[in-house]
Amino acid sequence: EVQLVQSGAEVKKPGESLKISCKGSGYSFTSYWIGWVRQMPGKGLEWMGSIYPGDSDTRYSPSFQGQVTISADKSISTAYLQWSSLKASDTAMYYCARQLGYGVLDAFDIWGQGTMVTVSS
Amino acid sequence: QSALTQPASVSGSPGQSITISCTGTISDVGVYNYVSWYQQHPGKAPKLMIYEVSNRPSGVSNRFSGSKSGNTASLTISGLQAEDEADYYCSSYTSSSTVLFGGGTKLTVL
Repeated sequence: EVQLVQSGAEVKKPGESLKISCKGSGYSFTSYWIGWVRQMPGKGLEWMGSIYPGDSDTRYSPSFQGQVTISADKSISTAYLQWSSLKASDTAMYYCARQLGYGVLDAFDIWGQGTMVTVSS
Repeated sequence: QSALTQPASVSGSPGQSITISCTGTISDVGVYNYVSWYQQHPGKAPKLMIYEVSNRPSGVSNRFSGSKSGNTASLTISGLQAEDEADYYCSSYTSSSTVLFGGGTKLTVL
C-alpha cells in the first residue's frame, strides 16, 4: 500500500525550533516530488514547497521562502519540514503529499494524515 | 502570487448537478493543464478527485468531472449525494515553477 505517515502532534513555545517528518512507503520514494501544505485553523490549503528526493531539488512558495526548510533523507524514505524559530502564527495543520510529475509540480495524489503544530506561550 | 479564485460556497439538492469554478491567469490555469481538484471532509486530509484538468484517479466516482476554458477551470459533480458535502479546492502549476491553491469552496447538499 502506498502511504505517507507523518510524525505526531507538537506543542511548542514561540522561538523554539521544530522538525516534523513524513515517511513514504509502498513506492519508489526517490521518483516522486513530496510537497508540504499548510492549513491554518478554519482556513484553506496553502502550498509551502516541494522536494524531489532523487536529487534534492527543492522549490518554495515565495510566501514561505526563508521561513521554513524542506529536506529529505532518501536512505530512510523520509521528508522533513523544519522551523528555526517558531511563531504563534505557525499554528496550523501541516500535510505532506506525494506529487505526480517530474519536471513540473503536478497533482498531490497521496496525502499524509497531517501533523498539528501548536505554538503558544 | 494570489490564490486562484473560487466561489466561497455552492449548494444543490440530491440528484442535481453543480459546478465549481476556479479562475486563474495566463501564468497558471490559462497556460498549463496541470489543474487538479481536491475534496476535504471536516477533520480529514484532502483527497485528489481530478488531475490534469479532467483525469479521474482510480476509485473516484465518474460523477466527478473536470474541464477548462481559458483561465478558468471547472469541477462538475452530477447526481449530487449527501456524502459529496465537503470543501473543494483547485490547484494549478504556475510559470514560476510553483503551485497555487484556490481559496476553497464549501459545498452544501440541501
